[in-house]
Amino acid sequence: QSALTQPASVSASPGQSITISCSGTSGDIGGYKYVSWYQQHPGRAPKLIIYEVTHRPSGISTRFSGSKSGNTASLTISGLQPEDEADYYCSSYSSTITWMFGGGTKLTVL
Amino acid sequence: EEHLLESGGGLVQPGGSLRLSCAASGFNFSNFALTWVRQAPGKGLQWVSAISASGNTAYSAESVKGRFTTSRDNSKNTLYLQMDSLRAEDTAVYYCAKDYKTASGDYVGDCWGQGTLVTVSS
Repeated sequence: QSALTQPASVSASPGQSITISCSGTSGDIGGYKYVSWYQQHPGRAPKLIIYEVTHRPSGISTRFSGSKSGNTASLTISGLQPEDEADYYCSSYSSTITWMFGGGTKLTVL
Repeated sequence: EEHLLESGGGLVQPGGSLRLSCAASGFNFSNFALTWVRQAPGKGLQWVSAISASGNTAYSAESVKGRFTTSRDNSKNTLYLQMDSLRAEDTAVYYCAKDYKTASGDYVGDCWGQGTLVTVSS
């Protein structure tokens, strides 16, 4: 069982927006502003899309945004496109493990 | 362009050993910490280990501590993962990642290799 909790799956139609939640504790998400999100297409390596809760690396679309409230972080993808269909993983620094990952959320673009 | 390429994966019997390599190019290798992450078939990501830029400090997940050793050769721009006493539950794709240190001090993986599959089975 992963330390960070994500929904197993979400789905939406092109053009719509979705939000993926990532729940932790005060020892990880709640205690630091070190939340990141990775996108992984099937058979491919993970790709960093959000770091430090809200920051996007260079080249990442502004359609991707992050936020945090208490022990829960969220990733929002607006204006869904077919190429957004992928698995999404949250990650947080914790006092016990360097990179703590969520279980992953499969996004289906209908 | 930054690039990481893992190698060394394969089929090994339980109790056996394997050494993974991760060759880097396109960035100043000795300036960056590096991380190993694995993904069991059909499962999520799991942090395995990390090593400082100099190689003087390494950290490992409890599940591999005492069995896996992380090292690097900055003269060869290569990261290693020596895996001993392998178990069936170590079966996974192993990724190496370059650690980017953010302005606030967090480390995130901003460049990943394509992964190498390790299968532990008799």
